[in-house]
Amino acid sequence: GENVEQHPSTLSVQEGDSAVIKCTYSDSASNYFPWYKQELGKGPQLIIDIRSNVGEKKDQRIAVTLNKTAKHFSLHITETQPEDSAVYFCAARLGGQNFVFGPGTRLSVLP
Amino acid sequence: GAVVSQHPSRVICKSGTSVKIECRSLDFQATTMFWYRQFPKQSLMLMATSNEGSKATYEQGVEKDKFLINHASLTLSTLTVTSAHPEDSSFYICSAYGAGATNEKLFFGSGTQLSVL
Repeated sequence: GENVEQHPSTLSVQEGDSAVIKCTYSDSASNYFPWYKQELGKGPQLIIDIRSNVGEKKDQRIAVTLNKTAKHFSLHITETQPEDSAVYFCAARLGGQNFVFGPGTRLSVLP
Repeated sequence: GAVVSQHPSRVICKSGTSVKIECRSLDFQATTMFWYRQFPKQSLMLMATSNEGSKATYEQGVEKDKFLINHASLTLSTLTVTSAHPEDSSFYICSAYGAGATNEKLFFGSGTQLSVL
């Protein structure tokens, strides 16, 4: 089955700097890759996603890149702000409703 | 994005009682809903998958008689923790998946913090 690894597990950056979180997946048939942000005591919120026929997608300060050959995708956050502090989960969809999640990255943005 | 409503957000109950958690997709039809359990500072642990009108599929190690799941309509799934004990205390989260208008994306509820005394 699909396996998703995520690095780093924790990340601290200074406010205004960029943050990058990387995920790798094992099954080349996976075709959709969402990213979720989970704040303390809340459910994960979909923040950006990318399909396998696209290499990059951007939405304001966040972007996702996909390298199908290497089977990895990354979340990029620029000009980080304290409110970006949260746990971020990547996921890969193998097909239908079969989603596999990464273990999460705890991002801390230091003022 | 699509909205998934989960209630209650927090519940405290006595040991031995049952607790029901509701998960509703407000603006789309969810063909499949998922239930997760999350311990502090850990990832999402999938408990079960429920499809409308059929029995839920439970992950290995999850007691189906303890965690009753009902998916009676395309917009509502419920999780009932029966005879709750302190070890059932956790953060429970639902998610909903719908084809069509939601472009086959997965949306999460806001979670329920269960505390069993």
